[in-house]
This record gives sequence, C-alpha cells and structure tokens, in this order.
Amino acid sequence: SYELTQPPSVSVSPGQTASISCSGDKLRDKYTSWYQQTPGRSPVLVLYQDNRRPSGIPERFSGSSSGNTATLTISGTQTMDEADYYCQAWDSSTGVFGGGTKLTVL
Amino acid sequence: QVQLQESGPGLVKASETLSLTCTVSGGSVSAYYWSWIRQPPGKGLEWIGYLYYSGDTNYNSYLKSRVTISVDTSKNQFSLKLSSVTAADTAVYYCAREDYNSRAFDIWGQGTMVTVSS
Repeated sequence: SYELTQPPSVSVSPGQTASISCSGDKLRDKYTSWYQQTPGRSPVLVLYQDNRRPSGIPERFSGSSSGNTATLTISGTQTMDEADYYCQAWDSSTGVFGGGTKLTVL
Repeated sequence: QVQLQESGPGLVKASETLSLTCTVSGGSVSAYYWSWIRQPPGKGLEWIGYLYYSGDTNYNSYLKSRVTISVDTSKNQFSLKLSSVTAADTAVYYCAREDYNSRAFDIWGQGTMVTVSS
C-alpha cells in the first residue's frame, strides 16, 4: 500500500521559516494536501493541490512538490502555528495520510 | 455554511458493530464525496473510506472486510458501520467532505470519540 513519510517533529523559532516534508513514491504525480490540527480540535485544511491556500489561510503558508517530496513552508512562523501537520494524497482512489509532524515554536 | 455533525454511541463492546452517523447541514449530501477518517488516541489520521451520494464507495483495503458506508439522502446523512470491533478501533471518528475539484477534505465534523470495551 502507498505510504507518506513525515518527520515526527520540527522545531522553529518565532519569526523564522519552518519546513515540513512529506515523502512518497512519485508524489510529484499526485496532488498533496496539508492539514493543521491543534490539540482537541478537528484538522483544518491549510493547503491543497500542493500549493493552493483555501480562503482564510494566511499567506505565510506555502507549499511545493518535486520528485518524491512535498513540502509545507511556514514563513514568519507565529506561536499560533504550533500544531500537528498532516500531509495527504490519493493513490488509486484511496486516501492516504502521512504520520504527522509536530511543529514546536520556541 | 456547510457543517457536519457526527453522532452515535461512545462505547461499543468488542466483537460488536460500531455505527455512526454524520448529519450534513447548510448543504446537500447529494453532491461531493463524503469520507470517514479516524484518529486513535495520541496517533495520526487514518482514512476509512468514502461515499458518493449515488452509492459509489471505496474503502481502505486494511478495513474493507469490516466497513460499510451508506447514505440517506432523505435525511441528508451518511453513515459508517464497522463490524467485529476490537480495542484497536478505539479512536476519534471524523466525517469530512471531499471537494472533488481540489481532492482535499475541506470541511470536517467535530469528531466523536468511540471506545471499544472488552
């Protein structure tokens, strides 16, 4: 079955740039979505189709995809961005999530 | 705007069937794809399966033998049944809407915790 791999944790200082990777076989040929989840809350879509932001998502969230890796980038990271982030893609009509990355802002 | 609300028992006995319903408000279930997604305590998200209002379904191969997702358009609801549950099925269960153009889950329910007891 298809798998997406994320680093378990990433740390960043406030105001700096955070990058979270998501790796999967030929991921560049699929669209990747990214979700933000804070404790006790439902996930929120922050990027879709690799790099498109839904309405209401700040411009500091951006994305890219190349080869086997998609990347979520948060520029000027704020303390409110501390959360778990999940990548997601479709493989043969099956939904697949990465294991999640805990972003710590300190 | 469209809102989703999960409902169902919070406690299910091992070997029995877990049954949950997602009620769609502010929009129609007769459009879009609708998924169930779960999250065991302290763990990541797992996609369970989707349904299109026409009846088209697809399930996670790992759960396929135990899962049924169905729709009731008259009630604007869709449902999940997971049979022969074990402690490993203990999780927060979310229903979510998939926007077919973006292929992303753009709207999520608040989630409901289901515990499987022995």
